Amino acid sequence: GAVVSQHPSWVICKSGTSVKIECRSLDFQATTMFWYRQFPKQSLMLMATSNEGSKATYEQGVEKDKFLINHASLTLSTLTVTSAHPEDSSFYICSAAGRLAANTGELFFGEGSRLTVL
Amino acid sequence: DAKTTQPPSMDCAEGRAANLPCNHSTISGNEYVYWYRQIHSQGPQYIIHGLKNNETNEMASLIITEDRKSSTLILPHATLRDTAVYYCIVRRRLHYGGSQGNLIFGKGTKLSVKP
Repeated sequence: GAVVSQHPSWVICKSGTSVKIECRSLDFQATTMFWYRQFPKQSLMLMATSNEGSKATYEQGVEKDKFLINHASLTLSTLTVTSAHPEDSSFYICSAAGRLAANTGELFFGEGSRLTVL
Repeated sequence: DAKTTQPPSMDCAEGRAANLPCNHSTISGNEYVYWYRQIHSQGPQYIIHGLKNNETNEMASLIITEDRKSSTLILPHATLRDTAVYYCIVRRRLHYGGSQGNLIFGKGTKLSVKP
């Protein structure tokens, strides 16, 4: 199946710093990517939808100035958590949709990135 | 997209079949049933999906009732590595380039496979 890769898989940072997480589709072109957040023992919550070459669409309650999303190419989307605080500590997961998904309807997920803000 | 109801947890003995139920009584005619699973600290993994007919692949089988109001995911010979949270999701098929392709995750069923 298609592969979606995230980097880094885990990161620890100090409060007030910014952290960038990358999401890459390795063997297909991802026209749309989705960013989710998952707190411990909870389900995945959609944060935003990014379409290649256009601005991301954020879900209600997600601050677009805090969670910057860039989808500059068909294989890469980045999520930057700006001025991170301990409450931003979470598991961030991206998923990608492309031509293959259009045929099967399935989405492909990255391995997730665990952010810990001290 | 239609809402689904799943039991919060289930146990299964290793080597036995695991049958995970899902209710989706408000499913629409153009909505598919998708199953994903999430092993601890990993991203979700696609398992199988179907519309009306039963489906089978190398991972699992999906049985959908005739009225499509419920379905069952079957792992024929569960192993310890199948311990995960299993999500049943109902949605329309993704269209190429569409931005409505996100998946809405419920709480899922936590399957524990025991030796």
